[in-house]
Amino acid sequence: DQQVKQNSPSLSVQEGRISILNCDYTNSMFDYFLWYKKYPAEGPTFLISISSIKDKNEDGRFTVFLNKSAKHLSLHIVPSQPGDSAVYFCAASGGRGNQFYFGTGTSLTVIP
Amino acid sequence: KAGVTQTPRYLIKTRGQQVTLSCSPISGHRSVSWYQQTPGQGLQFLFEYFSETQRNKGNFPGRFSGRQFSNSRSEMNVSTLELGDSALYLCASNSGSNTEAFFGQGTRLTVV
Repeated sequence: DQQVKQNSPSLSVQEGRISILNCDYTNSMFDYFLWYKKYPAEGPTFLISISSIKDKNEDGRFTVFLNKSAKHLSLHIVPSQPGDSAVYFCAASGGRGNQFYFGTGTSLTVIP
Repeated sequence: KAGVTQTPRYLIKTRGQQVTLSCSPISGHRSVSWYQQTPGQGLQFLFEYFSETQRNKGNFPGRFSGRQFSNSRSEMNVSTLELGDSALYLCASNSGSNTEAFFGQGTRLTVV
């Protein structure tokens, strides 16, 4: 039962343009959401997070938007750079402890 | 501050054997979680330990077990290895609930 879904396995964007990665979740108990970036054979690197009490969080070129009514979050990268090429995972948690539910990832390619 | 350290980085085992993986969390982090990553499946939660107690458990068979020591270091054990256990095993540590998880580089386990 995939509670966090990333329906786009891949995305290609031109350098300098905006990259938008999407994520949907089903569990209304989730109250904390994160985005991770991952290179092959390495552990995920934390990018940005958002709590359910907010609808937007910004950190430099990265902005995460949360739409609780639609159970949807998105990551915007502006401007996109070739070094952003990686697999991006969204994750969610809720309740006691640190059990994170991850999506299956979106492979982003930024074309120079 | 040192990051999350996992050892070994690579392992090759034969079906039926057992294996133990080790994880040292970031200093001061008391929560340690384990994830399995296989192609197409994203990251699947195995279990979380906090102060030497298992706090959450994912949907994995009993062949997968873990423990945490008083210094917060954690080990994960897989007994009676199967070919399908071949995966990247990731360890993450947190400073508290609803905080970002920091991941180690992972242990690549290959079962032949």
